[in-house]
Amino acid sequence: AQKITQTQPGMFVQEKEAVTLDCTYDTSDQSYGLFWYKQPSSGEMIFLIYQGSYDEQNATEGRYSLNFQKARKSANLVISASQLGDSAMYFCAMSYNQGGKLIFGQGTELSVKP
Amino acid sequence: DAGVTQSPTHLIKTRGQQVTLRCSPKSGHDTVSWYQQALGQGPQFIFQYYEEEERQRGNFPDRFSGHQFPNYSSELNVNALLLGDSALYLCASSFAGGLNFYEQYFGPGTRLTVT
Repeated sequence: AQKITQTQPGMFVQEKEAVTLDCTYDTSDQSYGLFWYKQPSSGEMIFLIYQGSYDEQNATEGRYSLNFQKARKSANLVISASQLGDSAMYFCAMSYNQGGKLIFGQGTELSVKP
Repeated sequence: DAGVTQSPTHLIKTRGQQVTLRCSPKSGHDTVSWYQQALGQGPQFIFQYYEEEERQRGNFPDRFSGHQFPNYSSELNVNALLLGDSALYLCASSFAGGLNFYEQYFGPGTRLTVT
């Protein structure tokens, strides 16, 4: 069965520093997509970055990059130059078929300190 | 470009009642998925609608039902509400023919409280 594991319930980072949020996944499928979403206290899930299982290069979107290590089944999110507005819950998710159903991890709460 | 919209924002219902939540997808999107997010948890997939039919369903009882209209908007209905149905209900839309088919955009959610 497909599963996403986020082992860090909470993380603290100093403003302007980089932070890595961990995500491991379990699937026997060869074709799948990995996502990171940000959820502020308002509740809306904000799409950050996507990595396809066949993509050879790590995905990047501005200050966000996804460290994709397929053999280790990990898809860590790296946020560079943290800002106070980055404080939120972060969810790693996976989709494994054309249906697009997303399977989410438990989330990591990131707090950025000034 | 309007994003995904949901209504209402908040809702309080009593056990045993029925509730209908509404979602309008992002412009150009044709697929709508519904998720339930309990407090402190990640979202759980309820079901997905495409071409006005339920295409995929998660592990939720038949009390949860839905509908998709010709304009791609969708409704989530929950009958015989239980206290455990209290959660944030998120709607997500996507375009089935897009390059990043898996990419889903979420609405702001409807927070349902069952008393």
